[in-house]
Amino acid sequence: GENVEQHPSTLSVQEGDSAVIKCTYSDSASNYFPWYKQELGKRPQLIIDIRSNVGEKKDQRIAVTLNKTAKHFSLHITETQPEDSAVYFCAVAGGTSYGKLTFGQGTILTVHP
Amino acid sequence: GAVVSQHPSWVICKSGTSVKIECRSLDFQATTMFWYRQFPKQSLMLMATSNEGSKATYEQGVEKDKFLINHASLTLSTLTVTSAHPEDSSFYICSAGPRGETQYFGPGTRLLVL
Repeated sequence: GENVEQHPSTLSVQEGDSAVIKCTYSDSASNYFPWYKQELGKRPQLIIDIRSNVGEKKDQRIAVTLNKTAKHFSLHITETQPEDSAVYFCAVAGGTSYGKLTFGQGTILTVHP
Repeated sequence: GAVVSQHPSWVICKSGTSVKIECRSLDFQATTMFWYRQFPKQSLMLMATSNEGSKATYEQGVEKDKFLINHASLTLSTLTVTSAHPEDSSFYICSAGPRGETQYFGPGTRLLVL
């Protein structure tokens, strides 16, 4: 089955700095790559996603890049703010598992004011 | 749009009892819903795929007789934890999507088995 590795497990930045989280996956048939933000005790919230026919997608301060050849994708957050502090999960889906997500281990992002 | 609800938000029960958790898609129909489990400080682990009108598909290692799933309508899936034990204590979350691929999560149900 699909295997997703996410790094780093924790990330601490100063407000205004950029943060980058990386994920690798194993199944070359995967074609959908969402990122979720989860605050303590709450549901995961979709923040951005990308499909395999696109190399990069941006939404305000958040961007995702995908390298299908290398089977890795990254989340970039610019101008970080304290409210960006949360756990971020990458996920992978596609191939024969439409809608079924395999998650990375998560990254605890802390933005210091 | 794309709102998913869950009920109850938290439940405490005695060991050996059964607990039913509901997952509803409020503004769309979902032929498929997914159930995940999340232990403290860990990632989400898929338990099963709930299919409307047919049997659920369980992930390897998940006991289908312990975690009963029913998807009787296009907006409701239920997960019943039968004969719950303390090790079943966890955060249970469902997901669904109006267009299948993009998944939206319910608020989760925190289960504590004493």
